[in-house]
Amino acid sequence: DADVTQTPRNRITKTGKRIMLECSQTKGHDRMYWYRQDPGLGLRLIYYSFDVKDINKGEISDGYSVSRQAQAKFSLSLESAIPNQTALYFCATSRRGEGQETQYFGPGTRLLVL
Amino acid sequence: DQQVKQNSPSLSVQEGRISILNCDYTNSMFDYFLWYKKYPAEGPTFLISISSIKDKNEDGRFTVFLNKSAKHLSLHIVPSQPGDSAVYFCAASKRSGNTGKLIFGQGTTLQVKP
Repeated sequence: DADVTQTPRNRITKTGKRIMLECSQTKGHDRMYWYRQDPGLGLRLIYYSFDVKDINKGEISDGYSVSRQAQAKFSLSLESAIPNQTALYFCATSRRGEGQETQYFGPGTRLLVL
Repeated sequence: DQQVKQNSPSLSVQEGRISILNCDYTNSMFDYFLWYKKYPAEGPTFLISISSIKDKNEDGRFTVFLNKSAKHLSLHIVPSQPGDSAVYFCAASKRSGNTGKLIFGQGTTLQVKP
């Protein structure tokens, strides 16, 4: 079984709709991250969380919100989706301390906003 | 402001030859660097890393070189195999910040021809 899972894997939505992307992990890691990938721009950090009570904005948090429901679950919400949020979204996890930079990624969610 | 840059969007090499992927960074505070590999429809996976106290790290066919004065790192794959065909991302981190946050480059698509 995959250590980091994301649902859904693909989603098509319309402008103005609210959607939620979910991430679950069985690695027992404290830290979780949300990234988006766009062609020619690499991966950019949206939000990150070091534990259930800790939420931090990344490079491009505008238009997004997150919820850390449990150590193993981290959700990303688009309150009112717009077409330029069409992208590939990745969740990642890492442990605290030594090796914290090594992040483990989920398979991604491909989102299309019409 | 792209702090980590991979200026070659793509690279094509023959099987058995050396692949050299390059990455430049601008922030002298970065002190830990990683390479990730990504296949289509999968999340990035960690490949190899290097601390700024070293100038070389080797793992099997993969070697990462770091030139701090030039703010440049490279990934060498020898010998290249068709299964190495993927997108390669370099990433940088500031360990002193203890955040585990990564800044990614745009990625380079490697094609290894049989």
